[in-house]
Amino acid sequence: GQQVMQIPQYQHVQEGEDFTTYCNSSTTLSNIQWYKQRPGGHPVFLIQLVKSGEVKKQKRLTFQFGEAKKNSSLHITATQTTDVGTYFCAGPNNNDMRFGAGTRLTVKP
Amino acid sequence: DSGVTQTPKHLITATGQRVTLRCSPRSGDLSVYWYQQSLDQGLQFLIHYYNGEERAKGNILERFSAQQFPDLHSELNLSSLELGDSALYFCASSVVGMGNTEAFFGQGTRLTVV
Repeated sequence: GQQVMQIPQYQHVQEGEDFTTYCNSSTTLSNIQWYKQRPGGHPVFLIQLVKSGEVKKQKRLTFQFGEAKKNSSLHITATQTTDVGTYFCAGPNNNDMRFGAGTRLTVKP
Repeated sequence: DSGVTQTPKHLITATGQRVTLRCSPRSGDLSVYWYQQSLDQGLQFLIHYYNGEERAKGNILERFSAQQFPDLHSELNLSSLELGDSALYFCASSVVGMGNTEAFFGQGTRLTVV
């Protein structure tokens, strides 16, 4: 079945540095979603990308969906301590949603 | 507050026992998903219900079962518990399928098997 791979597994940055996490699917996706899970919290929906080559921005966060709709990225500019958490991508697989393993971001003040 | 309610928040039980986790979806959401998250791991899909019917199954053990009731709340039953079943269990709900719209996760039930 469809698999969603996400890298890196961990990323530690200094506050103010940029951060990027990458997501790759073994199959073409109809859409991709991104979620953030704060430490001790639950996943919270960030965004959904649907179109090939789509780019969406939310303040310092930039989300991209690849032209082939098999990969996606999340880029955070000038990280802040409030950005800490695990970022997951997720792609539909028939009637369920498969999540990547997540990228855990830690930010050193 | 996501609007999804999971009870209990914490559960400690012994090996071999059976437990039931409960999820009340957001008002109006027809889909309920269950995920298992082991320590520092990703979200493993267990099962999806839509309007009372099972729609998809992931790598759910035979010792685990679930159902969605007419009022749309869902229960996940875990039996013959093993130490390895200790994990955070999340339920998520969405209006239709998660593949089409955002999902809202509950706070999770932390299960500890001793």
